[in-house]
Amino acid sequence: GAVVSQHPSWVICKSGTSVKIECRSLDFQATTMFWYRQFPKQSLMLMATSNEGSKATYEQGVEKDKFLINHASLTLSTLTVTSAHPEDSSFYICSARTGGSSYNEQFFGPGTRLTVL
Amino acid sequence: KQEVTQIPAALSVPEGENLVLNCSFTDSAIYNLQWFRQDPGKGLTSLLLIQSSQREQTSGRLNASLDKSSGRSTLYIAASQPGDSATYLCAATADSGNTPLVFGKGTRLSVIA
Repeated sequence: GAVVSQHPSWVICKSGTSVKIECRSLDFQATTMFWYRQFPKQSLMLMATSNEGSKATYEQGVEKDKFLINHASLTLSTLTVTSAHPEDSSFYICSARTGGSSYNEQFFGPGTRLTVL
Repeated sequence: KQEVTQIPAALSVPEGENLVLNCSFTDSAIYNLQWFRQDPGKGLTSLLLIQSSQREQTSGRLNASLDKSSGRSTLYIAASQPGDSATYLCAATADSGNTPLVFGKGTRLSVIA
């Protein structure tokens, strides 16, 4: 099956620093990637949708200047949390979809736990 | 806008029981519906995907059904085991299939040995 990886799996940083999270589709080309955020005991909330080579589309309430998304290739998308603060501490999960899938199935990465001190 | 609701929010059952988790969605024009499992602090494990043209899917002790007209899906777990303890998430895409999955809040299942 399709595999999506994320790096790092966890990160701890100081308030005010920036953190970059990578999402890679290992065995397929992902025309579309999605970034979700999950707070403790909450469900996954979509942050943004990115298509390769174009600007990401952000959900209402998500600051595009704070959460920078780059989808420069068909196998890699990055999420950069700029000037992170404790309230940004969360579990970030990416998913990828191949345009060739007749089911339009989304494949999920293992997630990155961000803790901002 | 698609909204997904799951009930109950939490469920505790003794080992060996059969159980049903419920999921409802507001927009019946879905493309597909997926059930996931999430262990504490971990990512998602896809369990079953049901296309809009299908009525059910089965994998081992799991059976998921889909009733688009009523906006409902159920996940049936047979002969539950302590290892089944996890949060189960239901998610649906809109009819175009190009939109992202929208998730419910999940049902936290505890199977007591």
